[in-house]
Amino acid sequence: DAGVIQSPRHEVTEMGQEVTLRCKPISGHDYLFWYRQTMMRGLELLIYFNNNVPIDDSGMPEDRFSAKMPNASFSTLKIQPSEPRDSAVYFCASRETGSPLHFGNGTRLTVT
Amino acid sequence: GENVEQHPSTLSVQEGDSAVIKCTYSDSASNYFPWYKQELGKGPQLIIDIRSNVGEKKDQRIAVTLNKTAKHFSLHITETQPEDSAVYFCAASPWGDSNYQLIWGAGTKLIIKP
Repeated sequence: DAGVIQSPRHEVTEMGQEVTLRCKPISGHDYLFWYRQTMMRGLELLIYFNNNVPIDDSGMPEDRFSAKMPNASFSTLKIQPSEPRDSAVYFCASRETGSPLHFGNGTRLTVT
Repeated sequence: GENVEQHPSTLSVQEGDSAVIKCTYSDSASNYFPWYKQELGKGPQLIIDIRSNVGEKKDQRIAVTLNKTAKHFSLHITETQPEDSAVYFCAASPWGDSNYQLIWGAGTKLIIKP
């Protein structure tokens, strides 16, 4: 099992640019989560999906953030336009019903 | 809603000594309490978890204890080693709900001094 796979590992972009983060969950997992981690705010849940359907996006900071899950093996988190305050590590995590959560190794985003 | 407090924020112990990290939670409906370890440059990894029908669970050098009456749970690491240096997160959630959500503590940075 390759675990949760995220790409890219690092992303550096200029303010105003569009950023797309990608995630491949563990095969068979029916829940997928996007988290953001910063020193100031810790681990924040942005959005989660169940069977590819968004269930709760109340953690998405604002309309600049959007997430999709077109199929069971792929999800994207998009920021458009990006701002310096979006700089953080973004984690994708997945689990199956009744099992613990597994995290990817994250994407470190720097917006200059 | 649920709120989880974790302390200390930083813990420095001598190699070979024990380390204890404590968390308190507010929602009495919570019944699942995992602990995650995050090493530098990696995502959090589950190291041990406990459900509210048990008071203690052990896995080699790590153990977790739960006091439901007082609404607190603790992580114990014995005979600490350099590779135990990391950030540890506790979390709480109602497990019975298939849509369970983890509420996270703020994390404890554990430093093992050689």
